[in-house]
Amino acid sequence: EPEVTQTPSHQVTQMGQEVILRCVPISNHLYFYWYRQILGQKVEFLVSFYNNEISEKSEIFDDQFSVERPDGSNFTLKIRSTKLEDSAMYFCASNSYGYTFGSGTRLTVV
Amino acid sequence: AQSVTQPDIHITVSEGASLELRCNYSYGATPYLFWYVQSPGQGLQLLLKYFSGDTLVQGIKGFEAEFKRSQSSFNLRKPSVHWSDAAEYFCAVGVGTGTASKLTFGTGTRLQVTL
Repeated sequence: EPEVTQTPSHQVTQMGQEVILRCVPISNHLYFYWYRQILGQKVEFLVSFYNNEISEKSEIFDDQFSVERPDGSNFTLKIRSTKLEDSAMYFCASNSYGYTFGSGTRLTVV
Repeated sequence: AQSVTQPDIHITVSEGASLELRCNYSYGATPYLFWYVQSPGQGLQLLLKYFSGDTLVQGIKGFEAEFKRSQSSFNLRKPSVHWSDAAEYFCAVGVGTGTASKLTFGTGTRLQVTL
């Protein structure tokens, strides 16, 4: 069964550093998403991406966040200057009549 | 704005017993509804989804859910729970245009299974 692949599975970074979380969506899917889950809380929508541009973003997705699809396969989430409160599990998803999530990247900001 | 309510934060059932996890949604149009399961430290696995048609949806691992428009509910059921079903269960509603839907999640129900 096709999978959404996320790397790394766990990343530790110092506050103020930039991080890039990587995702390889399912190849024939057209819509891509990032969600996050702070420990013990519910999963929250961050951003959706279609046709090489952001189609919707939440209020969480402020100027320190950006997304990119640099080539035909990768989909990245960049956090420019990490804060302690960015510590969370970040999930990538792709969608085409079926939503598939990756296994997540646990980001720890210290 | 859309919302999803999972009234039960924590449920404990005995292995072999039946299970029903409740989910209520608030959304003005016909919703796309999902149930996901998450084991500790793991990702989200899709159990089942409802887009249209038959209101009783069959999923993986023996789960099913029934969409009741009149009650704005999409409860998840399993006739006989296995110890491996212990996990966190999330209900979600898809908002937007079909395949472009973003998901709004409930706060989850943690299922504990006793032997």
